[in-house]
Amino acid sequence: AQSVSQHNHHVILSEAASLELGCNYSYGGTVNLFWYVQYPGQHLQLLLKYFSGDPLVKGIKGFEAEFIKSKFSFNLRKPSVQWSDTAEYFCAVIPTGANNLFFGTGTRLTVIP
Amino acid sequence: DTGVSQNPRHKITKRGQNVTFRCDPISEHNRLYWYRQTLGQGPEFLTYFQNEAQLEKSRLLSDRFSAERPKGSFSTLEIQRTEQGDSAMYLCASSLIHDTQYFGPGTRLTVL
Repeated sequence: AQSVSQHNHHVILSEAASLELGCNYSYGGTVNLFWYVQYPGQHLQLLLKYFSGDPLVKGIKGFEAEFIKSKFSFNLRKPSVQWSDTAEYFCAVIPTGANNLFFGTGTRLTVIP
Repeated sequence: DTGVSQNPRHKITKRGQNVTFRCDPISEHNRLYWYRQTLGQGPEFLTYFQNEAQLEKSRLLSDRFSAERPKGSFSTLEIQRTEQGDSAMYLCASSLIHDTQYFGPGTRLTVL
């Protein structure tokens, strides 16, 4: 079945550590790609998105993601995490011909001060 | 705050009762989406509107579920004869056509 996979369910890092969260999708054709974040007690917010162009996308709060078409991946990175990055991170895809988002199961990030 | 708003934020009901949730989108957005999120899962699509027209419904949207967007502004999602399996967070999002979806805070439904 077509899907979005986030293999890391819970990641624990110390402040200043580097972060990479994996996201793979199984849809063919052109896709629009997103990372959303949900801070504790808050609603889903857009971190960054890729529609076309430069496959290295920069988002808010120092996050970036790289679209690698050959690997069907859109991994999220941050060189140095802060305690305030503690949140749940969701990768999402809009495949060709669709209008809604298809989400992964999310990765919970805990940053230890 | 001009973001997406949802009411109520929490709803506790007994099995078999009907419930209705409301979503107010960002004012200039012509698309409105409903998603459902259960514990440990990402949001799953239920349905979406473009203006007042309901253009797509997921197989998750059983016949006990109905959604409306009568004037192309706010939307309601009604669940009839609630079941315990309906317990979830119901999320609303809005967007311009083919643009980023912005989410509201959600309505958490608990069916006892």
